[in-house]
Amino acid sequence: EPEVTQTPSHQVTQMGQEVILRCVPISNHLYFYWYRQILGQKVEFLVSFYNNEISEKSEIFDDQFSVERPDGSNFTLKIRSTKLEDSAMYFCASSDREVLYGYTFGSGTRLTVV
Amino acid sequence: QKEVEQNSGPLSVPEGAIASLNCTYSDRGSQSFFWYRQYSGKSPELIMSIYSNGDKEDGRFTAQLNKASQYVSLLIRDSQPSDSATYLCAAEGYNTDKLIFGTGTRLQVFP
Repeated sequence: EPEVTQTPSHQVTQMGQEVILRCVPISNHLYFYWYRQILGQKVEFLVSFYNNEISEKSEIFDDQFSVERPDGSNFTLKIRSTKLEDSAMYFCASSDREVLYGYTFGSGTRLTVV
Repeated sequence: QKEVEQNSGPLSVPEGAIASLNCTYSDRGSQSFFWYRQYSGKSPELIMSIYSNGDKEDGRFTAQLNKASQYVSLLIRDSQPSDSATYLCAAEGYNTDKLIFGTGTRLQVFP
């Protein structure tokens, strides 16, 4: 079964550093998303991406965050100048909205900011 | 603020019983609803999607939707200890492609 692949599985970074989280969506999917889940809290929407541009973003997704699809397969989330409160699980997801299957989530990256 | 509400649980049921999980949503414009299962430390895994009022069955799982009451439920028949997880209800907002998640209900199935 096709999978969404995320790397790394765990990233530890110092406060103020930049991190890049990587995702390889399912190959025939056209819609890509980033969500995060702070420990013990809800899964929260960050951003959606379609046709090489952001289609929607939440209030969490401020200037500290950016997304990019640098080539035909990767989808990245960059967090500039990380803060302690950025510590969370970050999930990438992709979907083929033509069939409305819902999202397929990747296995996640646990980001720990120290 | 659009919300999805779930009882956090835990809901404890004996092996072989029916587990009933419930969810309400606030956005009347929501059209699509999803149930995800999440094991501790893992990512959400899609179990069921439902778009129309009524019941939808898939194996041991039945999703129910009542748009008039803004209510979604998930029934798990013949519950197994391996079903022990947190079950997340999610609604797709109107005219948006983001999912709004509830806090999840923790299900414990004991032998």
